[in-house]
Amino acid sequence: AQRVTQPEKLLSVFKGAPVELKCNYSYSGSPELFWYVQYSRQRLQLLLRHISRESIKGFTADLNKGETSFHLKKPFAQEEDSAMYYCALSGGGAQKLVFGQGTRLTINP
Amino acid sequence: NAGVMQNPRHLVRRRGQEARLRCSPMKGHSHVYWYRQLPEEGLKFMVYLQKENIIDESGMPKERFSAEFPKEGPSILRIQQVVRGDSAAYFCASSPGTSRDTQYFGPGTRLTVL
Repeated sequence: AQRVTQPEKLLSVFKGAPVELKCNYSYSGSPELFWYVQYSRQRLQLLLRHISRESIKGFTADLNKGETSFHLKKPFAQEEDSAMYYCALSGGGAQKLVFGQGTRLTINP
Repeated sequence: NAGVMQNPRHLVRRRGQEARLRCSPMKGHSHVYWYRQLPEEGLKFMVYLQKENIIDESGMPKERFSAEFPKEGPSILRIQQVVRGDSAAYFCASSPGTSRDTQYFGPGTRLTVL
């Protein structure tokens, strides 16, 4: 079964501190992993996907198949990073996304 | 490009009534996905449609729920005889159509069943 777990519902860090949002997945094949973000009063939008291997807004995420993880990291948090973050998985040719429960990130000034 | 449009944004229904949720995909997108988000939970896949075809409905409840994406017009998610447990946010996403395309999400419809 496909499953995505985000162990932290809430995460609070100070501005300028490093931030890591955890994501673990369960999938028997080769999944595609995504991070989606929802800022206040905005719609859900793609932040990054593992096949792109790029950094968006200073965020990076590396797919670790051994640990089945896809943690989202940023070395220096900014107040505008405060948002709801969802990790998602797609696999087996099926285009549906399987989402984690989300982590609400709050950056304190 | 206005992005994925959903209406209404808020819908209130009494138990036993029908709810119709509409989704207009982005221009040029022929694939539509519906997701449901119950309170305090993540988004859960419901159904994936292409024009006039249901591709994957593995996440749809067996009864009362149906979806369509006609040749002309928006995709419709229909819930018959709503119950309080149907109260949730319903999100639509669209993609151009080739595999591994990014899904673009609408603002959602918040359904409240009294």
